[in-house]
Amino acid sequence: AQSVTQLDSQVPVFEEAPVELRCNYSSSVSVYLFWYVQYPNQGLQLLLKYLSGSTLVKGINGFEAEFNKSQTSFHLRKPSVHISDTAEYFCAVSEISTGGFKTIFGAGTRLFVKA
Amino acid sequence: DAGVTQSPTHLIKTRGQQVTLRCSPKSGHDTVSWYQQALGQGPQFIFQYYEEEERQRGNFPDRFSGHQFPNYSSELNVNALLLGDSALYLCASSSLRRTGRDGYTFGSGTRLTVV
Repeated sequence: AQSVTQLDSQVPVFEEAPVELRCNYSSSVSVYLFWYVQYPNQGLQLLLKYLSGSTLVKGINGFEAEFNKSQTSFHLRKPSVHISDTAEYFCAVSEISTGGFKTIFGAGTRLFVKA
Repeated sequence: DAGVTQSPTHLIKTRGQQVTLRCSPKSGHDTVSWYQQALGQGPQFIFQYYEEEERQRGNFPDRFSGHQFPNYSSELNVNALLLGDSALYLCASSSLRRTGRDGYTFGSGTRLTVV
């Protein structure tokens, strides 16, 4: 069965500093990996995805993530954060199964960017 | 191009009552997935509908049921409401043909409060 673990529930960081949000997953089959962002009182918005190929993927708003198959990790990074990046970030794993696909989300990491 | 539309945005119900939440998927999408997001937690998968049938289901009791219509819109029904059902209910649309490769498009959610 799939599972997703986000290792940090909260990450405070100063503006213009780099940040890394950690995600580990487990699955018995090949998966697709995603990061979503959620602003207050809104739904989730797709930041980036890994399907196959290059292990470093780039997304919107300057975010990137690196897939590490041996460590079953998919950590999200940004070299320089802005106040507007303050939000909840969710790592997700999508596994194809009989009849369709199923996507499981981690518990989320709250990124708080301080001035 | 309209995204995912959910209604209502908020509602308050009493324990034991029944509720129906509605979702219109993004144009071109044929699959609707429903998630429950309790305060401070990640989205929990309830079920997924495609071609008017439930294709995948998470660990939710039978009190949670759904329906998909020929125009791909969907309803989530919850019977015999409990206080613990209070949460943000998110609708996510996708294309089954893409088997999850594109990720989801989420609606803004329905905030259900059970008193």
